[in-house]
Amino acid sequence: GNSVTQMEGPVTLSEEAFLTINCTYTATGYPSLFWYVQYPGEGLQLLLKATKADDKGSNKGFEATYRKETTSFHLEKGSVQVSDSAVYFCALSDYAGGSYIPTFGRGTSLIVHP
Amino acid sequence: ETGVTQTPRHLVMGMTNKKSLKCEQHLGHNAMYWYKQSAKKPLELMFVYNFKEQTENNSVPSRFSPECPNSSHLFLHLHTLQPEDSALYLCASSQESPEGKLFFGSGTQLSVL
Repeated sequence: GNSVTQMEGPVTLSEEAFLTINCTYTATGYPSLFWYVQYPGEGLQLLLKATKADDKGSNKGFEATYRKETTSFHLEKGSVQVSDSAVYFCALSDYAGGSYIPTFGRGTSLIVHP
Repeated sequence: ETGVTQTPRHLVMGMTNKKSLKCEQHLGHNAMYWYKQSAKKPLELMFVYNFKEQTENNSVPSRFSPECPNSSHLFLHLHTLQPEDSALYLCASSQESPEGKLFFGSGTQLSVL
């Protein structure tokens, strides 16, 4: 079956520090890959996506590159802000049994201090 | 605002109560999902509906009963729940496509006493 593994948190950084959150996956097919973000008291929101190998997804200063050879989709940001504090979920979507079934990682909490 | 609306936002119920969670989307999506989010656990997929037909049921106890009357509405009927069912219940929708990205509601925070 499909699975997504993320680094455990919390990740605690100072403002303007560099961020990396690791994500690796296993999939039977050729999935699309996503990062979602969840702010306190809210549902998940799509942050960025990539649909094929070597694609780079980017949004709000965050980037992730679809690496098929290492089955990875690491999230990076060059300079984090306090407002980036949230929980980040890596996910894949693969077609199975008549639907696109999303599989999520456990989530990584990011805390950014001023 | 993601276009997916869940009600109520908060719900407290006793173990003998019957209640329902509601989800509504007007994004024109044809797939809808229920997820359970508990503290310190991965996001759990509960049910998937595609064009109103249930295509996935991840071994969810029968005290949770989904209903999808049309492609814009999804319900989760709850009865005789247990305290361990306390969690954030998230609804999501997507347009069936190779991308399969999800749009989530804000969730219903459920407490079972």
